[in-house]
Amino acid sequence: EVQLVESGGGLVQPGRSLRLSCSASGFTFGDFAMSWVRQAPGKGLEWVGFIRNKAYGGATEYAASVKGRFTISRDDSKSIAYLQMNSLKTEDTAVYYCTRGIDKAVAGTWDYWGRGTLVTVSS
Amino acid sequence: DIVMTQSPDSLAVSLGERATINCKSSQSVLYSSDNKNYLTWYQQKPGQPPKLLIYWASTRESGVPDRFSGSGSGTDFTLTISSLQAEDVAVYYCQQYYTTPLTFGGGTKVEIK
Repeated sequence: EVQLVESGGGLVQPGRSLRLSCSASGFTFGDFAMSWVRQAPGKGLEWVGFIRNKAYGGATEYAASVKGRFTISRDDSKSIAYLQMNSLKTEDTAVYYCTRGIDKAVAGTWDYWGRGTLVTVSS
Repeated sequence: DIVMTQSPDSLAVSLGERATINCKSSQSVLYSSDNKNYLTWYQQKPGQPPKLLIYWASTRESGVPDRFSGSGSGTDFTLTISSLQAEDVAVYYCQQYYTTPLTFGGGTKVEIK
């Protein structure tokens, strides 16, 4: 059974950093692109970024709203994806979901989602 | 950026009746080299993560009831629930994956009339 479990969320002050982790199981992690999608309280969905699998060079892409502040990485040996968030802003407050690409060649849409972890940026 | 516009924002449908949700993209999401529409539909129930329903605009995900269907091509797409069930109460989102930034529609809330 495919499982994605996010961790690392919490309350953080503006300007500070936080790292989220996504622990995966039930599939060959290294074969799939992994993405992060967020949802502000009571709002819609917003793509944050993705990291492709090794076959596609492990390339990353980001939304403009986080580019230069957030970094996605992966450790295929541990089946973990990371979201390093720096220079956090109040508008980054959201539930952050870890997601898996629908197949080995597709990074841009997702068949499995974690339960999410809440990040609250507030002083 | 490709802007995804859903309509209506909300709709109330009687049990057993048809629900239709529309999604329009600001540019075509049909990729000519493979003739596929890079369009997905998700369902999100309160307190839960989104669930994949339909991808490639019309391919139903495994395990999704066949009352859910997707149609359309290019810039205009439709999600149809042929016979609304109580468990279908949710917010539905379309999403394009034709190009980055990946973008979602604003969501359509489906309720029981």
